[in-house]
Amino acid sequence: DAGITQSPRHKVTETGTPVTLRCHQTENHRYMYWYRQDPGHGLRLIHYSYGVKDTDKGEVSDGYSVSRSKTEDFLLTLESATSSQTSVYFCAISESPVSSGANVLTFGAGSRLTVL
Amino acid sequence: GQSLEQPSEVTAVEGAIVQINCTYQTSGFYGLSWYQQHDGGAPTFLSYNALDGLEETGRFSSFLSRSDSYGYLLLQELQMKDSASYFCAVRENRDDKIIFGKGTRLHILP
Repeated sequence: DAGITQSPRHKVTETGTPVTLRCHQTENHRYMYWYRQDPGHGLRLIHYSYGVKDTDKGEVSDGYSVSRSKTEDFLLTLESATSSQTSVYFCAISESPVSSGANVLTFGAGSRLTVL
Repeated sequence: GQSLEQPSEVTAVEGAIVQINCTYQTSGFYGLSWYQQHDGGAPTFLSYNALDGLEETGRFSSFLSRSDSYGYLLLQELQMKDSASYFCAVRENRDDKIIFGKGTRLHILP
């Protein structure tokens, strides 16, 4: 397995509380991503990072913030969790595209978040 | 807006061939990828197309037509272990923004 770990793997929290999910990689890959997966919606991009301190919004970024202060860590924060943020969150990493342009995402095992 | 459309479910028989289509409408296009996800697991990479044509990797092949904003994944000699969800994904910009379709659930009958 590529060295990518997510923590916590499971979390139950209450509406209005802050939550931070951590993605840690040991591959020194440049690109990191946070997706959420919900039934009927597939994988939706929340935020992504293309380098240290370089981040950008995805499709469903409202209510989420991210930080990447070093190559190996990409943090996803829910400032005030809502029930609509109950989901499975996947982190992914990739190297810079090779000459063919291919970039292969390697996913973490996922973090299941329940907001009551 | 941006969208990737793929069928929600496909059913095929063990040993047969199945094709999963994907049409996309995105602000940019730098390549189409395919991922497989088994229940309870994480997505794993299958195939990638940046240029028009067919790419073959074992029992899996992927096709791209950029002029039609269309691609497909072809699975041959289906096995029961191929029962999974399959996602197409577009690399949308040079900073590697990658967005996914909603996925196609593949059911395989013995």
